[in-house]
Amino acid sequence: EAGVTQFPSHSVIEKGQTVTLRCDPISGHDNLYWYRRVMGKEIKFLLHFVKESKQDESGMPNNRFLAERTGGTYSTLKVQPAELEDSGVYFCASSQYRGDYGYTFGSGTRLTVV
Amino acid sequence: TQLLEQSPQFLSIQEGENLTVYCNSSSVFSSLQWYRQEPGEGPVLLVTVVTGGEVKKLKRLTFQFGDARKDSSLHITAAQPGDTGHYLCAGANRGSNYKLTFGKGTLLTVNP
Repeated sequence: EAGVTQFPSHSVIEKGQTVTLRCDPISGHDNLYWYRRVMGKEIKFLLHFVKESKQDESGMPNNRFLAERTGGTYSTLKVQPAELEDSGVYFCASSQYRGDYGYTFGSGTRLTVV
Repeated sequence: TQLLEQSPQFLSIQEGENLTVYCNSSSVFSSLQWYRQEPGEGPVLLVTVVTGGEVKKLKRLTFQFGDARKDSSLHITAAQPGDTGHYLCAGANRGSNYKLTFGKGTLLTVNP
């Protein structure tokens, strides 16, 4: 089966610009998670979708971040306007069931805000 | 806030040596998951341990979950250069909707 696909793989934008990251989960996986790793820190949870509904967005840093999952398929994460501290690697993960089964991660989008 | 302390952060050893990576927390997790990440890729699941005291083996890798489900270890026997990579532990909890709490990772280099 195809894995979790993320694009772009890299994005360099200027402070104040807008960037949209996309994640295509494994087909049939209702659970979709966004995580982020900033330089020198551990990977941290951003939010969780179950189908098209936001289950938990407690990890979203602020209201400059907006995540959507229309139709319960792919998801987008928009940062507007981007700030320097938003730089990092954004990972998407999906799973069929919610539980202690582990997740399939995408390769990530490396975002650099200059 | 749950935290996972992973150690060591960096480890460089010779081929054939044994090593252990530790993940410790003051919090209880319903599962501890171990991932391996290659440069430019996302984490890839190696194993999930869910029962206190559980031991799982994957060839030369042995994973253990502490009795109290607050800590875990990864032991590699006779390390090979192919084991070189970034190893991450991550805890999940039913009460937190199974979102993962990650350790900072261990960057392992096995020299031939």
